[in-house]
Amino acid sequence: EVLLLESGGGLIQPGGSLRLSCAASGFTFSNYPMNWVRQAPGKGLEWVSAISGTGTNTYYADTVKGRFTVARDNSKNTLYLQMSSLRAEDTAIYYCAKDLAAGGILDSWGQGTLVTVSS
Amino acid sequence: QSLLTQPPSASGAPGQRVTISCSGSSSNIGDNIVNWYQQLPGTAPKLLIYTNDRRPSGVPDRFSGSKSGTSASLAISGLQSEDEADYYCSAWDDTLNVLVFGGGTKLTVL
Repeated sequence: EVLLLESGGGLIQPGGSLRLSCAASGFTFSNYPMNWVRQAPGKGLEWVSAISGTGTNTYYADTVKGRFTVARDNSKNTLYLQMSSLRAEDTAIYYCAKDLAAGGILDSWGQGTLVTVSS
Repeated sequence: QSLLTQPPSASGAPGQRVTISCSGSSSNIGDNIVNWYQQLPGTAPKLLIYTNDRRPSGVPDRFSGSKSGTSASLAISGLQSEDEADYYCSAWDDTLNVLVFGGGTKLTVL
């Protein structure tokens, strides 16, 4: 069974930094691209970032480019999202999701971790 | 405003058939596969339809997807109360090199 468990969320002041983690199990982690998707309170889904299985290729939404960095440690089966220069509009539940075939087919999702940016 | 346009709401009575549309452009739906996600209240999204019209294991055949040109549709037949959820379409956009989601459609079972 595929399991994705996010952690690292919390309350952070504007301008601050936070690192999210996503621990994966139940599949060969290095074989699959991974994504971060967020959902602001009461809003729809917004794709944030993706990373290839090897970690060589990364992709970002314009809203986070230059502020967020996606990375993975395949030896630890863990995905990361380093977030800096956080803004109020970054407040959301952050989900990690496994990509079935690098086509944006997000076939497994974690339960999400809440990030609140507020003073 | 999302690059993929969905109606904000849809509704139907139990047993009826409803369809949810998703309109995009040549750089996303026109050139790439469309996937659909179901998000039940208070839960994480779940893959419902992938590669335009395929159902993951465990998804009832009441759910079906289709794509034509720069638009896609999700159909739900034999509507049930447990289908009440938010539904999102998604596709990769080749011009922006990003994954885009539709704004979501809230389905109400009357």
